Amino acid sequence: DGGITQSPKYLFRKEGQNVTLSCEQNLNHDAMYWYRQDPGQGLRLIYYSQIVNDFQKGDIAEGYSVSREKKESFPLTVTSAQKNPTAFYLCASTRTGRAFFGQGTRLTVV
Amino acid sequence: KNQVEQSPQSLIILEGKNCTLQCNYTVSPFSNLRWYKQDTGRGPVSLTIMTFSENTKSNGRYTATLDADTKQSSLHITASQLSDSASYICVVSAVNYGQNFVFGPGTRLSVLP
Repeated sequence: DGGITQSPKYLFRKEGQNVTLSCEQNLNHDAMYWYRQDPGQGLRLIYYSQIVNDFQKGDIAEGYSVSREKKESFPLTVTSAQKNPTAFYLCASTRTGRAFFGQGTRLTVV
Repeated sequence: KNQVEQSPQSLIILEGKNCTLQCNYTVSPFSNLRWYKQDTGRGPVSLTIMTFSENTKSNGRYTATLDADTKQSSLHITASQLSDSASYICVVSAVNYGQNFVFGPGTRLSVLP
């Protein structure tokens, strides 16, 4: 789906480091989401934000943090407290019942 | 608890054959149901959306059905192509504030020549 940009596409992190994944949308959507996907598994919700300056924890928020200072941007920080961060991360924005997804960021801990 | 289940977990078919994927949900109050196709390493792309009053909807070779009484949906793929190899995810939207999308685990479809 167009309109949502995630960067970088691939990211490598050393153990103990924090990294930030970028998610930008130009769709003027209020709601934005971060999901994590592990091999062979479904999407699990990390954090979501319905409006600017407000966000809520999802099912697996531990070890992650987010901010929503602008409507267009919803960055996700994977902290050193996340013990198993290697995964595929998807950002989405929604409006009127439809979710638009970015192309994902594959994070690998080395 | 709002849940979405999908079956089978994985499926292998030969090119040109038809197949049907299943989705059962317990999400309430129901708003709509979408089927997404996710290629490996890419973001999901919407195939169809169905609301409470719709029983069937087609998008090319993809046909989705919805039975709101039994809370079941199916995605039928006709004359499969190699490019149909992907994960197919059923997503149900609930009518409430907050996290209003419930994702199924997906069905991994492999189409072989």
